[in-house]
Amino acid sequence: AQSVTQLGSHVSVSEGALVLLRCNYSSSVPPYLFWYVQYPNQGLQLLLKYTSAATLVKGINGFEAEFKKSETSFHLTKPSAHMSDAAEYFCAVSADKAAGNKLTFGGGTRVLVKP
Amino acid sequence: DGGITQSPKYLFRKEGQNVTLSCEQNLNHDAMYWYRQDPGQGLRLIYYSQIVNDFQKGDIAEGYSVSREKKESFPLTVTSAQKNPTAFYLCASSLNRGADTQYFGPGTRLTVL
Repeated sequence: AQSVTQLGSHVSVSEGALVLLRCNYSSSVPPYLFWYVQYPNQGLQLLLKYTSAATLVKGINGFEAEFKKSETSFHLTKPSAHMSDAAEYFCAVSADKAAGNKLTFGGGTRVLVKP
Repeated sequence: DGGITQSPKYLFRKEGQNVTLSCEQNLNHDAMYWYRQDPGQGLRLIYYSQIVNDFQKGDIAEGYSVSREKKESFPLTVTSAQKNPTAFYLCASSLNRGADTQYFGPGTRLTVL
């Protein structure tokens, strides 16, 4: 079985400050890990994904995430927040290879950016 | 432009009525998925299909049905047996190989009156 936990359902950051969103996963096999972003009343857009290559993954809009197997974590960071980063962010895991490409999502973290 | 379309954007239904949500993709993807999104619960998988004429139940399939008669289409029917159908529904597709990315449509917001 696979599961994802995102710590903090809401995060508030000041414009220009570091954005850190936490994601921990549970998987009995090496996972694939994803971060998606969702703007209000829209679908999800892929930010980045980890597929067992480099442990530090760079994505769009200046985001990056680091896979740490020992900590079963895949935290998302951005050095300097922009107003346009206000959105909801979802971490997801795909590890059950026998079930195709099924994703299990965390509960999401809503980011508020203060001017 | 290639992508996934969902219609309608907003849908209202009376209790006891079945309703069908449309999902079409022109990405030539083999796999398609339906998710339900409720506040604070992330996305939960309803049904998925890895190939035409085949589909599997996800984590919350009760009260829903699907069909996959064409590669590009994967409609979802919300039946009257679904006890709490008001939610945001998202359709996705992927190439169905390993770590292939799932691409999402814009969603349909269903409200039961």
